[in-house]
Amino acid sequence: DQQVKQNSPSLSVQEGRISILNCDYTNSMFDYFLWYKKYPAEGPTFLISISSIKDKNEDGRFTVFLNKSAKHLSLHIVPSQPGDSAVYFCAARGLSGNTPLVFGKGTRLSVIA
Amino acid sequence: DTAVSQTPKYLVTQMGNDKSIKCEQNLGHDTMYWYKQDSKKFLKIMFSYNNKELIINETVPNRFSPKSPDKAHLNLHINSLELGDSAVYFCASSQDLSQGMRKAFFGQGTRLTVV
Repeated sequence: DQQVKQNSPSLSVQEGRISILNCDYTNSMFDYFLWYKKYPAEGPTFLISISSIKDKNEDGRFTVFLNKSAKHLSLHIVPSQPGDSAVYFCAARGLSGNTPLVFGKGTRLSVIA
Repeated sequence: DTAVSQTPKYLVTQMGNDKSIKCEQNLGHDTMYWYKQDSKKFLKIMFSYNNKELIINETVPNRFSPKSPDKAHLNLHINSLELGDSAVYFCASSQDLSQGMRKAFFGQGTRLTVV
């Protein structure tokens, strides 16, 4: 039962263009959403998050959009850089801090110079 | 300085053996976690500990036993290893439960291969 779905296993984008990574979820109790970035042989690192009371959160080149009615969120990276090449995990949880994070399977982003 | 460190990085062992993976964090965090990334690439929570107390145990077999001697350490012991235990195991920590996994820091992972 996949509560968090990242339907694109991979994505290739040219340097300088926009990368859009998508994520869908099924559990309406999810209230907090996060994106993690993972390089090979390293653990995931927190990138950006958004709570359900917002529909957009921006941090530098990274913006996360949340469409709660569609149970959909997306991560935009503008402009994309070769160093952004990594696996991006979408994750979600309820508001309570001791609710475990549920992760998607990840999308491998390749930014081509 | 590594914030969350796991040892060993790679572990190859035979079925039926007992093994441990160690995790230490030097961030002063109260909450630590173990996650498992299986062959299908899903990252799933196994356990979380807050101030050495077990908070979450996500239907993990009894063969898996976390041990937290202090707030900075959460070790994972696995008895009678099975082929299906082969995975990458990630340790993580966050400041406290109120932050949950908002700003969790992950270790580099331990790739366990059971043969």
